[in-house]
Amino acid sequence: AQRVTQPEKLLSVFKGAPVELKCNYSYSGSPELFWYVQYSRQRLQLLLRHISRESIKGFTADLNKGETSFHLKKPFAQEEDSAMYYCALSGRARNQFYFGTGTSLTVIP
Amino acid sequence: EAGVVQSPRYKIIEKKQPVAFWCNPISGHNTLYWYLQNLGQGPELLIRYENEEAVDDSQLPKDRFSAERLKGVDSTLKIQPAELGDSAVYLCASSPGSSGANVLTFGAGSRLTVL
Repeated sequence: AQRVTQPEKLLSVFKGAPVELKCNYSYSGSPELFWYVQYSRQRLQLLLRHISRESIKGFTADLNKGETSFHLKKPFAQEEDSAMYYCALSGRARNQFYFGTGTSLTVIP
Repeated sequence: EAGVVQSPRYKIIEKKQPVAFWCNPISGHNTLYWYLQNLGQGPELLIRYENEEAVDDSQLPKDRFSAERLKGVDSTLKIQPAELGDSAVYLCASSPGSSGANVLTFGAGSRLTVL
């Protein structure tokens, strides 16, 4: 069965410090992985997806099939990065999405 | 574009009362989802529609929850009767379906409080 695990519920870093939000998944096949973000008082929105191989707002994420991970990274955290981050997986059947429990990131000024 | 529109944004009811949530997806999006989000948890799928057909409702508590997507556009999620444990945020999302990008767009959510 598919599962997405985000081991950290809360993460605090200082402004300018590197940040890494962890995501591990369980899936027998080749999944699509996503990061969604929810800023305070805003709706859940797509941050990035692994197939795009983009850097969005300075964030990157690399799919590591050997470690079944899709960690989200940013070299220098900014205060506006404070938000709730959800890792999500879409499996063999498109249009099916499974979410982790989320990590609340706080960037300390 | 308005994006995914949900109403009401907030609803407070007493237990055993009925409640309904409405969702209008992005124009042209064939796939519509209702997710449940409890405090401190990620979204959990309740039901997924492909056009007007419910293709995945395995997690929908059918004794009290029902949903419909007549004409394959907007959708309604109903709870009757509501229980204390139903207090949560009900998220609607849509995606283009098989012809478009495999990406979800969410509405703002409907926050339900059952007293």
